[in-house]
Amino acid sequence: SQTIHQWPATLVQPVGSPLSLECTVEGTSNPNLYWYRQAAGRGLQLLFYSVGIGQISSEVPQNLSASRPQDRQFILSSKKLLLSDSGFYLCAWRLQGSIGELFFGEGSRLTVL
Amino acid sequence: GQNIDQPTEMTATEGAIVQINCTYQTSGFNGLFWYQQHAGEAPTFLSYNVLDGLEEKGRFSSFLSRSKGYSYLLLKELQMKDSASYLCAARRQAGTALIFGKGTTLSVSS
Repeated sequence: SQTIHQWPATLVQPVGSPLSLECTVEGTSNPNLYWYRQAAGRGLQLLFYSVGIGQISSEVPQNLSASRPQDRQFILSSKKLLLSDSGFYLCAWRLQGSIGELFFGEGSRLTVL
Repeated sequence: GQNIDQPTEMTATEGAIVQINCTYQTSGFNGLFWYQQHAGEAPTFLSYNVLDGLEEKGRFSSFLSRSKGYSYLLLKELQMKDSASYLCAARRQAGTALIFGKGTTLSVSS
């Protein structure tokens, strides 16, 4: 069966510090991968998606970046965090050719102080 | 542009039926999804509609009218554990990412 994991689960970072969130999927090949952010009082906002290794599409311009160094690994990064980067970050995957439902990881709660 | 609207909050009592509405305006349409999200947890998939009509899955049903840009999620025989946020999401084109609404927080009381 397929599983998705992301870490760390919780982190508190000072403004201006770097960020790295990692997500891995197991039990499937060539998945579409996504990073969403859920801020307080707001819906799930799509940040990045990837259809293959090294292929990243950005939905919202910001100080975050994403990379996909391996087929089942998706990384979200920032060189300098802003207060507005606080939120609940969710990695998700979708099986290509399926109806399109997303399967989410456990989430990473980031607080920038 | 993309816009998905759903009520912010709803309340209901155990054993009752509740309908959560969602309207969407997207540039292209290729499916409407409903997710359940308990506080502090990741969303989990509930249902999918791409054609007009009703899809039933146990206590949960979802309806779609593409001409009206409208969907609803119907929850029957409510239980306390159904207290959660319910997210409506639309897909613009096959293979693209889902666009989510802000979610409806449902509180079920005894």
